[in-house]
Amino acid sequence: EDQVTQSPEALRLQEGESSSLNCSYTVSGLRGLFWYRQDPGKGPEFLFTLYSAGEEKEKERLKATLTKKESFLHITAPKPEDSATYLCAVHATDSWGKLQFGAGTQVVVTP
Amino acid sequence: GAGVSQSPRYKVAKRGQDVALRCDPISGHVSLFWYQQALGQGPEFLTYFQNEAQLDKSGLPSDRFFAERPEGSVSTLKIQRTQQEDSAVYLCASSLVPGQFYEQYFGPGTRLTVT
Repeated sequence: EDQVTQSPEALRLQEGESSSLNCSYTVSGLRGLFWYRQDPGKGPEFLFTLYSAGEEKEKERLKATLTKKESFLHITAPKPEDSATYLCAVHATDSWGKLQFGAGTQVVVTP
Repeated sequence: GAGVSQSPRYKVAKRGQDVALRCDPISGHVSLFWYQQALGQGPEFLTYFQNEAQLDKSGLPSDRFFAERPEGSVSTLKIQRTQQEDSAVYLCASSLVPGQFYEQYFGPGTRLTVT
């Protein structure tokens, strides 16, 4: 059965303190791994899609990487506006396109 | 341009009532998804449409849940005889084309509270 596990559940950072979020996945075949950001009371906001092991993508202070078993979201020198829940999801080859999400990592960045 | 919109944003229903939740996808997006998100959890897949065809409804939790997209644009998720366990945020997402590589864009969600 496909499974997505994110760690840690919560992360509290000082402004400027870099860190990484982990997404471990088990899937029969991977079409894509997605990272989303979700603010309270809002829908998930698309960040990145990664398709194959070794791929990396960057956007401002965020960098996502992918291996055959896990993905990391690195936050470099975070600012308070980076506070949000970060969700990881996989699209398996045997599905029409549904995303299977992890439970998310809640990140709080304090000034 | 305009994103995915959902209405109502909040809905309170008494147990046993029927509710209808609406989703307006991004114009031209072929694929439409419904997800259910419980507090503190990631979204869980409910159903998928490609144009007006419902190709996957494997995530619908019971036969009380019904979704339609009759003209391949706006979609409605209907829940009959609501139960307390139906309380959650219902998210709609759309993507441009079906296929191997695409991104899903989410609406703000409808928060359903069943009392």
